[in-house]
Amino acid sequence: KAGVTQTPRYLIKTRGQQVTLSCSPISGHRSVSWYQQTPGQGLQFLFEYFSETQRNKGNFPGRFSGRQFSNSRSEMNVSTLELGDSALYLCASSLGSGRRETQYFGPGTRLLVL
Amino acid sequence: KQEVTQIPAALSVPEGENLVLNCSFTDSAIYNLQWFRQDPGKGLTSLLLIQSSQREQTSGRLNASLDKSSGRSTLYIAASQPGDSATYLCAVIGGAGANNLFFGTGTRLTVIP
Repeated sequence: KAGVTQTPRYLIKTRGQQVTLSCSPISGHRSVSWYQQTPGQGLQFLFEYFSETQRNKGNFPGRFSGRQFSNSRSEMNVSTLELGDSALYLCASSLGSGRRETQYFGPGTRLLVL
Repeated sequence: KQEVTQIPAALSVPEGENLVLNCSFTDSAIYNLQWFRQDPGKGLTSLLLIQSSQREQTSGRLNASLDKSSGRSTLYIAASQPGDSATYLCAVIGGAGANNLFFGTGTRLTVIP
C-alpha cells in the first residue's frame, strides 16, 4: 500500500506570493493533519481535516488555510508569504479521527521564501 | 498547554552500545504517545505507538515504555548500529482536549562505527 505522498517536494517563492501544497493520504485513511517544522519552533500543528471538515486548528494566522476533498486528498494554502514561512511542511494521515490512531507522515514539502 | 521535552538534545555513542532516550510531558491526560524517527531533510517514520493504557511496546531492537502518571516515556535502543543515526522525536496526543500531536524537540543520535 502506498504511503502518504506530498507534492511538490521543494518550492521557492518570494514574499507576498501565495502557495498551495498537496497531500494524498494512505488509501482508506480519512484524516489528514498538517504540521510545520522549523529549526526554531520545531514541529507545530496547523490543522486537521476529517471527512472534508476541519476538526482542529493550531495557533497560526488566517493566512494559513486548508481543505479536504471527497477522496480525502488535502491541500493547504499560504497567502501573502513571509520569510518566516520558510519551513518543512508535513502532512500525516490516519484511518480515523480518533485520538488512539497511529499517524503516518509523508516526506514533506520544503518551502523557501525569499 | 501540553509541553513535551526530550533529553538529551544530542547523543553520540559507539556502535553496539545500548542507549536510552527520554521524553517528558506536562499534562498526563494523554491518549497515546508515539515515537518517530526523522532522517535529515526527510519526513517522519513512526516507530512505536503506546496507548495510554499500556506500559510498553516493543519492535525489534526498540522498546518504548510509558509512565503516564509521572509524565515520562523512554525509548530503549539495543545494540545500536550506524543506521540508527537520526533524530528521534516523541509526540503525545491529548491533554486539554486536543486531538493533535504535540512534539518534543527531538534527540539527535549519532552512532559511531
